[in-house]
Amino acid sequence: GENVEQHPSTLSVQEGDSAVIKCTYSDSASNYFPWYKQELGKRPQLIIDIRSNVGEKKDQRIAVTLNKTAKHFSLHITETQPEDSAVYFCAASSMRSSASKIIFGSGTRLSIRP
Amino acid sequence: DVKVTQSSRYLVKRTGEKVFLECVQDMDHENMFWYRQDPGLGLRLIYFSYDVKMKEKGDIPEGYSVSREKKERFSLILESTSTNQTSMYLCASSPSDRGPYEQYFGPGTRLTVT
Repeated sequence: GENVEQHPSTLSVQEGDSAVIKCTYSDSASNYFPWYKQELGKRPQLIIDIRSNVGEKKDQRIAVTLNKTAKHFSLHITETQPEDSAVYFCAASSMRSSASKIIFGSGTRLSIRP
Repeated sequence: DVKVTQSSRYLVKRTGEKVFLECVQDMDHENMFWYRQDPGLGLRLIYFSYDVKMKEKGDIPEGYSVSREKKERFSLILESTSTNQTSMYLCASSPSDRGPYEQYFGPGTRLTVT
């Protein structure tokens, strides 16, 4: 079945350094790749997304890259700050049936060391 | 501003009890989803609905059922709870017009079954 794998499961970086989280997906029909951030005790919220017609998207300190041939995509956070500490989920989706079903990765717990 | 609300933040139930979890969204979204979130497993889709009275099974529907009698409300029903249903339950909604699109999550219900 459809699957999204996410690595690493935990990541600790020094404040100011960069963090990279990687995901692979199995469904070649996937065309939408969102990233969600979940702070402790809060709901997941979309931070950036990319569609299959582009290879890279950037929003201030965060960027996402997509390689459709290899079926993998990555989240890059530069100049990390304490407020970046959270669990990050990648996801993949395609418009299959009547609803756009999203498959989530297992999450990466990012910790920023002061 | 999209608002997704869930009927309870915390619930404690005994094995075999029936549980209703309710989700309400105020943005006239067609799609609604129920997930459970467990450490290391990410967000797993239980059921989703793309229209009133329509539903589709997600990846882990066993032991659950759903009801969508009105567009804004999507209920998750646990007919006879078991301890392995102890989890965080998250509801989400999204528009469907030429999707897929961002999903908006509720605050979650932490269910403990003893």
